[in-house]
Amino acid sequence: ETGVTQTPRHLVMGMTNKKSLKCEQHLGHNAMYWYKQSAKKPLELMFVYSLEERVENNSVPSRFSPECPNSSHLFLHLHTLQPEDSALYLCASSQSGTGRGNEQFFGPGTRLTVL
Amino acid sequence: TQLLEQSPQFLSIQEGENLTVYCNSSSVFSSLQWYRQEPGEGPVLLVTVVTGGEVKKLKRLTFQFGDARKDSSLHITAAQPGDTGLYLCAGVRGKLIFGQGTELSVKP
Repeated sequence: ETGVTQTPRHLVMGMTNKKSLKCEQHLGHNAMYWYKQSAKKPLELMFVYSLEERVENNSVPSRFSPECPNSSHLFLHLHTLQPEDSALYLCASSQSGTGRGNEQFFGPGTRLTVL
Repeated sequence: TQLLEQSPQFLSIQEGENLTVYCNSSSVFSSLQWYRQEPGEGPVLLVTVVTGGEVKKLKRLTFQFGDARKDSSLHITAAQPGDTGLYLCAGVRGKLIFGQGTELSVKP
């Protein structure tokens, strides 16, 4: 596996379900990100982890809970979501502290549908 | 309020035509990036422009950063069906701030 992988690629869940999105980066990077991409809206940064510490949380509702157990893995735990949370969830990674920290490499995303 | 405005939002052209996509802001960015996203995939970085007035070329794609580092343009010469996709600009101000994207469709 190379680059940034995300699983599952598609997820349909009810509002009372609990599910998790997984992201893995094989690039040796030390920063990872979750973004939300909705139709006709800019990518919204949700969370940033640098060296496994959460350094940014952009006022995301508590029904989204991130977890970064190590520098290669990032999870997004979901519970009691709303239909408006349906979107493409993108994971990205970068190497911070090198001057190229803003060159982010994205995974293919998880298409989430909340019924 | 939208920090980075991209225009047009949609563009449908014939193969061989030229096009320009604009990315405008009232804010200054330390650098600006352009990404391309194909259906079912994540965005892929095309270029980063850093210096005001900088012009970078990537085959048929020409990227320009405004002198004041507030705006940028992407010009594609002789577009091909393989250029079809969502083009995103992203300004760097400590973090990436994305525009809403331009959906380009190039018909054979």
